[in-house]
Amino acid sequence: SSELTQDPAMSVALGQTVRITCQGDGVRAYYATWYQQKPGQAPVLIIFGNKKRPSGIPDRFSGSSSGTTASLTITGAQAEDEADYYCSSRDSSGNHVVFGGGTKLTVL
Amino acid sequence: QLHLQESGPGLVKPSATLSLTCTVSGDSISSSTEYWGWIRQPPGKGLEWIGSINYSGNTYQNPSLKSRVSMSVDTSKNEFSLTLRSVTAADTAVYYCARDRAATIRFDIWGQGTKVTVSS
Repeated sequence: SSELTQDPAMSVALGQTVRITCQGDGVRAYYATWYQQKPGQAPVLIIFGNKKRPSGIPDRFSGSSSGTTASLTITGAQAEDEADYYCSSRDSSGNHVVFGGGTKLTVL
Repeated sequence: QLHLQESGPGLVKPSATLSLTCTVSGDSISSSTEYWGWIRQPPGKGLEWIGSINYSGNTYQNPSLKSRVSMSVDTSKNEFSLTLRSVTAADTAVYYCARDRAATIRFDIWGQGTKVTVSS
């Protein structure tokens, strides 16, 4: 399968924890990557290699992966975390990059 | 500091060919073992990977677009390019270029994006 499935929308109360998931066959064999995109801006890499954070990304963002599901957890969500979040990995062949459909996160 | 900048026409007619260029500054394309990729985003929709190329011209591409896509790299200008043939309204999107750290499946540096509209 070449698809990565994400919930289209989620919400979290300010200061609370939210987990955004990404399901797909590719995640079982290949690294999952997560991007944050705010309106009118280019995506920003926030997690790669399933759980690694690039420098400058707050440690409230964490990633994990198990089986066919990768997860992005935001612990203590801030107002500025309201954004679209996209997962990415390879398809089951390993030869192509695929993106999930994105999750729109609202911080209440 | 690595910087990528897309350039190209904002408006393309249906059935025509779209050509975009990504100029890289802050590092040499030919000194890098990485790939350089194109990703697009139709209005109100998600991200779609188009394809990636390295400085030697090796590519890997989205199979759904492969028949219409060509990519090239010009190391003398430190830029890489995308050509998309026979465009339709469905190709209307913001097109991003990005550095593709293929080994770890991540696009770590992105351009700001360029909006392309396909319309007569």
